[in-house]
Amino acid sequence: DAGVIQSPRHEVTEMGQEVTLRCKPISGHNSLFWYRQTMMRGLELLIYFNNNVPIDDSGMPEDRFSAKMPNASFSTLKIQPSEPRDSAVYFCASNPAGAYNEQFFGPGTRLTVL
Amino acid sequence: AQSVTQPDIHITVSEGASLELRCNYSYGATPYLFWYVQSPGQGLQLLLKYFSGDTLVQGIKGFEAEFKRSQSSFNLRKPSVHWSDAAEYFCAVGGLSGGYQKVTFGTGTKLQVIP
Repeated sequence: DAGVIQSPRHEVTEMGQEVTLRCKPISGHNSLFWYRQTMMRGLELLIYFNNNVPIDDSGMPEDRFSAKMPNASFSTLKIQPSEPRDSAVYFCASNPAGAYNEQFFGPGTRLTVL
Repeated sequence: AQSVTQPDIHITVSEGASLELRCNYSYGATPYLFWYVQSPGQGLQLLLKYFSGDTLVQGIKGFEAEFKRSQSSFNLRKPSVHWSDAAEYFCAVGGLSGGYQKVTFGTGTKLQVIP
């Protein structure tokens, strides 16, 4: 299995631009998680999907952030408009069933907003 | 709501020395506890987890952790550290929040291994 796939691996954009991060979970996994990692705040859960349905989005910072999971094999995290404080590494993780099980992390997307 | 504290931001040990990374959690019931490791430029990988039963848990790469309910702790240990263990280690606690499962990660402990 290829593991969790994230694209792009690196993204540099200017303030105000729209950014879309992509994730392909491991086949057969029905839970998907988006995290943000920064030096200041550590690893934060942004949103958690189960069977393509958002279960917990309490970690989404504000309305500029949105996430979708149109099918079991693809999810996006969109930031519009982006701001310099959004600069972070964004991880996607998946697992077979529920947050209590081992989460398999992707390699992350390093986002820099100038 | 659950929370987890890793009091040590950075730890340096000599290769071959023993290691203990501290983790304290806060949760009203018996929690689910995890240790993950993150190598530079990579995502997190599960080392071990505790759900119930034996409070001493064995994991991959020679790591173990002990759940101590009286101290609300889940410290990670390794008897002899290898240079390849240099990484960042995250403790996490799982519990019910708002009616659904939620896992909260600590801020991490960065391990440096010196020859």
